[in-house]
Amino acid sequence: AQSVTQLGSHVSVSEGALVLLRCNYSSSVPPYLFWYVQYPNQGLQLLLKYTSAATLVKGINGFEAEFKKSETSFHLTKPSAHMSDAAEYFCAVNPSGGYQKVTFGTGTKLQVIP
Amino acid sequence: DAGVIQSPRHEVTEMGQEVTLRCKPISGHDYLFWYRQTMMRGLELLIYFNNNVPIDDSGMPEDRFSAKMPNASFSTLKIQPSEPRDSAVYFCASSLTSGDNRNEQFFGPGTRLTVL
Repeated sequence: AQSVTQLGSHVSVSEGALVLLRCNYSSSVPPYLFWYVQYPNQGLQLLLKYTSAATLVKGINGFEAEFKKSETSFHLTKPSAHMSDAAEYFCAVNPSGGYQKVTFGTGTKLQVIP
Repeated sequence: DAGVIQSPRHEVTEMGQEVTLRCKPISGHDYLFWYRQTMMRGLELLIYFNNNVPIDDSGMPEDRFSAKMPNASFSTLKIQPSEPRDSAVYFCASSLTSGDNRNEQFFGPGTRLTVL
């Protein structure tokens, strides 16, 4: 079985500040890990994914995440927040090997303060 | 590609009425998922299909909910009879088993359902 835990349902940062959204996972087999973003009144959109290649994954809009097996973490970061980053972010996991069912976290709403 | 298409985008109905939500997955994708999103419960997986066959419907809340996928390019989620607690945003997503984008789920824009 797999699961993800997102710490903090709401995170506020100032424009230009570092964004750090936390995600810890649990998986009985090597996982695939994803971060999705949801803008208001839209569906989820993939930001980035880890599929057992490089542990530091770069995504769209300047976001990146680092897979740390020893910490079972996959935190999302961005060096400098922009107003347009205000959205809800979901971490997700599924076991590697073609199994398609993805388990999503509860989401973190990011507020960017001007 | 147009992406995952859902219709209608908004649906307002009265309690007891039948509601049908529709989804067209991305062409060539072999998995299709139905999710429900609410403030209280977050994002919930209702059911998913592989090659038009339902694989796991354990997330379907009760017998009032049913889903079908008659062919590779169309799926429906039906609620009969609808209740106010069914009010939510319903998302359809599709994915591929192979290729560079394998396991990545592509989401539709959602259907916002309001049951009065």
